[in-house]
Amino acid sequence: DQQVKQNSPSLSVQEGRISILNCDYTNSMFDYFLWYKKYPAEGPTFLISISSIKDKNEDGRFTVFLNKSAKHLSLHIVPSQPGDSAVYFCAASARMSGGSNYKLTFGKGTLLTVNP
Amino acid sequence: ETGVTQSPTHLIKTRGQQVTLRCSSQSGHNTVSWYQQALGQGPQFIFQYYREEENGRGNFPPRFSGLQFPNYSSELNVNALELDDSALYLCASSGGTSGGVYNEQFFGPGTRLTVL
Repeated sequence: DQQVKQNSPSLSVQEGRISILNCDYTNSMFDYFLWYKKYPAEGPTFLISISSIKDKNEDGRFTVFLNKSAKHLSLHIVPSQPGDSAVYFCAASARMSGGSNYKLTFGKGTLLTVNP
Repeated sequence: ETGVTQSPTHLIKTRGQQVTLRCSSQSGHNTVSWYQQALGQGPQFIFQYYREEENGRGNFPPRFSGLQFPNYSSELNVNALELDDSALYLCASSGGTSGGVYNEQFFGPGTRLTVL
């Protein structure tokens, strides 16, 4: 049972336009959401995050929106640049039972291609 | 600030063998999590170590085991390797010397394990 879903395996946009990557989740216990970017042969790089008590977080060209009632979040990249081409993973964080620490549950990723 | 490092980069083993992967956490972090990323999938949580003890575990069998050392570095051991263990193994560090654990995890480049 996949608790974090990224339903679009790939997305192609033109340089300068907006890229919108979507993510849905099912577990109401998730209280923190993160986006990671991954290039081939590298580990995921943390991009931006949002707490479940907020509905928007912005960092430069990157904005994450959270719709808690719909259990949906999205990452907006404006303007998109060719260097943004990578696999983007949505991850959700929940406290582990019996502990005080958190584990991340990832979606399968969306391959973003930004064309010059 | 030193990032998360992992060794080796690549590894080839045969079925039934045992393997040890190593991870050095980012300076100032005291928690290490291990993830397995199969081809075309998002990273899946294996387990987490905090203060040298396992602090949570995903759906992985006992032949996956780990250690954390006083300097917060960590090892992942896999016994009786199976073909399906072929994957990218990612280590992530988080937390702070204050003892608190944060949701944001920072990943190393990974170890690519191939089981023949």
